[in-house]
Amino acid sequence: QQQVKQSPQSLIVQKGGISIINCAYENTAFDYFPWYQQFPGKGPALLIAIRPDVSEKKEGRFTISFNKSAKQFSLHIMDSQPGDSATYFCAASWPNTDKLIFGTGTRLQVFP
Amino acid sequence: DTAVSQTPKYLVTQMGNDKSIKCEQNLGHDTMYWYKQDSKKFLKIMFSYNNKELIINETVPNRFSPKSPDKAHLNLHINSLELGDSAVYFCASSHRDRDAFFGQGTRLTVV
Repeated sequence: QQQVKQSPQSLIVQKGGISIINCAYENTAFDYFPWYQQFPGKGPALLIAIRPDVSEKKEGRFTISFNKSAKQFSLHIMDSQPGDSATYFCAASWPNTDKLIFGTGTRLQVFP
Repeated sequence: DTAVSQTPKYLVTQMGNDKSIKCEQNLGHDTMYWYKQDSKKFLKIMFSYNNKELIINETVPNRFSPKSPDKAHLNLHINSLELGDSAVYFCASSHRDRDAFFGQGTRLTVV
């Protein structure tokens, strides 16, 4: 059973466009929702994270939107650049645990 | 450099062999993990240790045995390797805020 569902599987965006990746979760006990970025041959790197007490968090060109009632959260990449081309993973975890449940990943390609 | 480092980066071995992957973090974190990333890039936790104590042990075959000699090190030993063990194994560490930092991965290929 996939507790965190991520879509789309792949995404192609033109340089300067907005990239949007969506995740949905089932377990209402989740209280921490990070996004990771992974380049080929590298480990996942924490990009941005949110907790359910806020509906939006922005860091530079990256924004997480969180909808608690719909049990959904999304990553928006504004002014997408070719250097943003990577695989993006959403994740979730429960209170008092360090276990991250990952989504299935989205391969983003940004073309000039 | 502050980081999570794991060795080796690549490991090619024959079925039935025993191999180890080493991990060290100098971030001062209390918790360390092993994650497995399969050929479809799906990431799944295998183990976590907090201050050398096993906290999480997912449904992983007994052939996989983690060992944490101190809170900065977490090694993974795999016995009797099988073809299905081929994957990328990531070590990670975190502190109380749950932001996990990952190593660069060890690509294990069993032939």
